[in-house]
Amino acid sequence: AQSVTQLDSQVPVFEEAPVELRCNYSSSVSVYLFWYVQYPNQGLQLLLKYLSGSTLVKGINGFEAEFNKSQTSFHLRKPSVHISDTAEYFCAVTSSSGTYKYIFGTGTRLKVLA
Amino acid sequence: GAVVSQHPSRVICKSGTSVKIECRSLDFQATTMFWYRQFPKQSLMLMATSNEGSKATYEQGVEKDKFLINHASLTLSTLTVTSAHPEDSSFYICSARAPGTGGYEQYFGPGTRLTVT
Repeated sequence: AQSVTQLDSQVPVFEEAPVELRCNYSSSVSVYLFWYVQYPNQGLQLLLKYLSGSTLVKGINGFEAEFNKSQTSFHLRKPSVHISDTAEYFCAVTSSSGTYKYIFGTGTRLKVLA
Repeated sequence: GAVVSQHPSRVICKSGTSVKIECRSLDFQATTMFWYRQFPKQSLMLMATSNEGSKATYEQGVEKDKFLINHASLTLSTLTVTSAHPEDSSFYICSARAPGTGGYEQYFGPGTRLTVT
């Protein structure tokens, strides 16, 4: 079974400052990892994903994440945030063995301050 | 590409009635779709996995007789909340398993907010 931990429920940050949203996972098998963003009353939009290859993954809107197998982490980063980045961010994991089910973290609310 | 739609986006129904939510993959065929439930300010909870042409697989604790799922075609899955009660009020989100890329990516619909009065 897998689990995902997003330690920070809320992260306030000033506009143009860098931000890191943390995600740690637990799994006995290999996993694939995803970050999604959710704006109020909307569905989820994929920011980036790690399936294989380079452990540094670049996504949309200037976000990137690094897969660290030894630390079982997949932290999301952005060097300079905008007001429009204010949203809920979810980390998700799925087993590479083919169940295709996602386990989501509890989410981190990023609030960008002017 | 890879758009998933849901209908309706919002629905209000009276306690005891049933409501159907549709999830469609608009530009690809989805053999597998998923239904999630999200409570306010909380994460998504997987309710069930819907496979085209076969019975849905429900997660532990989800009442299959209350949440009826049908996946009759490769582009449509429906969730029917039967005999709805106020505690069923929630945000329901569907997703479709992406073709290719090993199928590990999911495309999400915009969600349906159900309010039971």
